[in-house]
Amino acid sequence: GESVGLHLPTLSVQEGDNSIINCAYSNSASDYFIWYKQESGKGPQFIIDIRSNMDKRQGQRVTVLLNKTVKHLSLQIAATQPGDSAVYFCAGQISGGYNKLIFGAGTRLAVHP
Amino acid sequence: DVKVTQSSRYLVKRTGEKVFLECVQDMDHENMFWYRQDPGLGLRLIYFSYDVKMKEKGDIPEGYSVSREKKERFSLILESASTNQTSMYLCASTTTMTSGRSYNEQFFGPGTRLTVL
Repeated sequence: GESVGLHLPTLSVQEGDNSIINCAYSNSASDYFIWYKQESGKGPQFIIDIRSNMDKRQGQRVTVLLNKTVKHLSLQIAATQPGDSAVYFCAGQISGGYNKLIFGAGTRLAVHP
Repeated sequence: DVKVTQSSRYLVKRTGEKVFLECVQDMDHENMFWYRQDPGLGLRLIYFSYDVKMKEKGDIPEGYSVSREKKERFSLILESASTNQTSMYLCASTTTMTSGRSYNEQFFGPGTRLTVL
């Protein structure tokens, strides 16, 4: 039978390496793109956002890149630490639509010592 | 700190039971949301509310209803629980007011893991 996306993509990295988590989107109407981090047993927590008219935004140890031509978003984490192990979600938001978010499927980041 | 709380972390119910999931936020946010989260499918919006007694369907409203009698509280109701409603349920809230941030962050509760037997 056909399986339906029950497996979460996983990215495994060594502690101290840089991580790059990718996300493709289809809705070009989004005004903002956001990355959320979800640790085991917790709700998603905001990491960083980028307005759709920007290409790059940096935070503390994190950088988000937006390529609107190919509808691609990435989250770069520098010097990955064990505490970065979590599921990461990208989301798009259309302003004025009661701030609704459209989420991607998520990527699990596993950091190994 | 913004706080969004959900009434239960874990819940086990039987098929056909009526189930209530409660969410409370303490930041006077206008908008509240209910999502379900399933592996490989991300978060999918069930219902949201932009004011007391107001509600809008999300992407997967079938089998669910909601109630918002007070601004701080948003309830998700499963009228007759089924096994395919076994999932993690997440509540979130956000303001519609411009806050000076670049985006009106949605704040999430810790989730309720519901199992329907």
